Amino acid sequence: NAGVTQTPKFQVLKTGQSMTLQCAQDMNHEYMSWYRQDPGMGLRLIHYSVGAGITDQGEVPNGYNVSRSTTEDFPLRLLSAAPSQTSVYFCASSYRKLHEQYFGPGTRLTVT
Amino acid sequence: GENVEQHPSTLSVQEGDSAVIKCTYSDSASNYFPWYKQELGKGPQLIIDIRSNVGEKKDQRIAVTLNKTAKHFSLHITETQPEDSAVYFCAGNFNKFYFGSGTKLNVKP
Repeated sequence: NAGVTQTPKFQVLKTGQSMTLQCAQDMNHEYMSWYRQDPGMGLRLIHYSVGAGITDQGEVPNGYNVSRSTTEDFPLRLLSAAPSQTSVYFCASSYRKLHEQYFGPGTRLTVT
Repeated sequence: GENVEQHPSTLSVQEGDSAVIKCTYSDSASNYFPWYKQELGKGPQLIIDIRSNVGEKKDQRIAVTLNKTAKHFSLHITETQPEDSAVYFCAGNFNKFYFGSGTKLNVKP
């Protein structure tokens, strides 16, 4: 099993550009989520999904969109990047919501 | 949203000593409290979790205690080793997952 994979590992965007962070898992997990990690603030939930076709907002959803067309994939879209979105982004998956979350290696995003 | 406070933000101990990290939460109810360890440049990894019907759980050198009345839960690491050096996060599921701000643990050889 590859576990949770994320691409790209690093990305630099200019303000106003759009992009998609990719996340995939091969463990047949129902629950998937996206977090951002900023210094001194821990991890904050952006969006999550409890199954294909079902998504919901987390603590900090503004400026981000998600979709879950398959069990395996959960992409995160930045529609118009802003410097405030400079962060490290982690995707995670778990069998169900209240089970161990497996995190990907992260994507370091810089918006100039 | 829910506020999960974690203390201390940094903790330095001598190898072999114990380390304790505490988290408190405010009003909402949670029935699941995991603890994650994050090494530099990697994603967090679960080390132990506890559910609301259990007051304490142990796994070798690691233990977690939960006091729902006082709304706090703690991570205890005994006989610390240099490889325990990392950032530790507590979390709770208050309808959505909320994480503490992290504790950087440094174990000195």
